[in-house]
Amino acid sequence: QKEVEQDPGPLSVPEGAIVSLNCTYSNSAFQYFMWYRQYSRKGPELLMYTYSSGNKEDGRFTAQVDKSSKYISLFIRDSQPSDSATYLCAMSRILSGYALNFGKGTSLLVTP
Amino acid sequence: DGGITQSPKYLFRKEGQNVTLSCEQNLNHDAMYWYRQDPGQGLRLIYYSQIVNDFQKGDIAEGYSVSREKKESFPLTVTSAQKNPTAFYLCASTVTGASNQPQHFGDGTRLSIL
Repeated sequence: QKEVEQDPGPLSVPEGAIVSLNCTYSNSAFQYFMWYRQYSRKGPELLMYTYSSGNKEDGRFTAQVDKSSKYISLFIRDSQPSDSATYLCAMSRILSGYALNFGKGTSLLVTP
Repeated sequence: DGGITQSPKYLFRKEGQNVTLSCEQNLNHDAMYWYRQDPGQGLRLIYYSQIVNDFQKGDIAEGYSVSREKKESFPLTVTSAQKNPTAFYLCASTVTGASNQPQHFGDGTRLSIL
């Protein structure tokens, strides 16, 4: 079993829809949780960074962490065609120098 | 302005050849990381360094080598021992300490075999 599981999609939604992206993990040692957005042929760009269980909101993005269920989510409200990208969940722990464990990424397409 | 610069953007390797990928950051970050990204596999850790003149192997270090002689630089060498080097290579960095901060990435180097 991989430590971080993420459905690769692809996920296609109409413009304006609410998008829900999810990851599950198996290692309770993970302490920090991140969501990155990656456009084709570019490096990942940090969207959200959380430490504790609960919700964190930033503009149209909401990150949710449930440590008891080992489940994290990213919600995108009022999705735009420019949100079309691959979304990567990532998590880190103190051991391994805070190196990141990534999900495989979910490909999202927002159609006008 | 501050950031992480990876070069070159595209690189081709011949059989039996070693190639070196450059990663430079001007963010004054302590820790630097190398990841490999293959289609459908997500990012996997190759090497990381938390301080100058020290580095640790990641999950897939075989066939790779690194050095950390300066805080701002963390080059990765793909040796001829790496039999499947075709991939997208990403460098990242972050501050370290009691308050962990997220990693920021460069725009990658795409390596292909000739």
